[in-house]
Amino acid sequence: NAGVTQTPKFQVLKTGQSMTLQCAQDMNHEYMSWYRQDPGMGLRLIHYSVGAGITDQGEVPNGYNVSRSTTEDFPLRLLSAAPSQTSVYFCASSYGLAQPQHFGDGTRLSIL
Amino acid sequence: EDQVTQSPEALRLQEGESSSLNCSYTVSGLRGLFWYRQDPGKGPEFLFTLYSAGEEKEKERLKATLTKKESFLHITAPKPEDSATYLCAVQADQAGTALIFGKGTTLSVSS
Repeated sequence: NAGVTQTPKFQVLKTGQSMTLQCAQDMNHEYMSWYRQDPGMGLRLIHYSVGAGITDQGEVPNGYNVSRSTTEDFPLRLLSAAPSQTSVYFCASSYGLAQPQHFGDGTRLSIL
Repeated sequence: EDQVTQSPEALRLQEGESSSLNCSYTVSGLRGLFWYRQDPGKGPEFLFTLYSAGEEKEKERLKATLTKKESFLHITAPKPEDSATYLCAVQADQAGTALIFGKGTTLSVSS
């Protein structure tokens, strides 16, 4: 079982470029989330989804878009990259509310 | 405002020296409290879920406890392989699937 798979593992972008961070899970989980982790800030929720076709904003949604066309995939799109979006991005999935979220190993993103 | 505070930020122990990590939380209705372990360059790895005050969970050298205001992660006779950052997170009743994380405690165990 692969669990939660994130690609790419590392990425360097120039300011203004766009890109998509991929996230896939093979556990048939309904709930999926994107977090960013910054030094001294802890993990913060960007967007989440409670099922295919349903998404909502988290604490820090500005500059990011998501969609959920299938149960398995939950991509995160950076529309126009800014240096403030340099961070480590984690995708997570869970079976339901109050159930543990399982995390991927992250995408390390640098914006120059 | 829902928030989670972990202390200490960093903890150095000798192998076999037991200690506890603290997670204080303020939340409008607790749905669950979660403990994770994170190794450098990896994603958080789930350890425990606690749902109500008085609940305890144990796994090898780790034991998690919960009161109405805080949770403790007790580490008994730690080994160097227990070195990691330990994260605490809460999920509130009205917050959907969102987890609110503390900043973590970085534990170093030397032999």
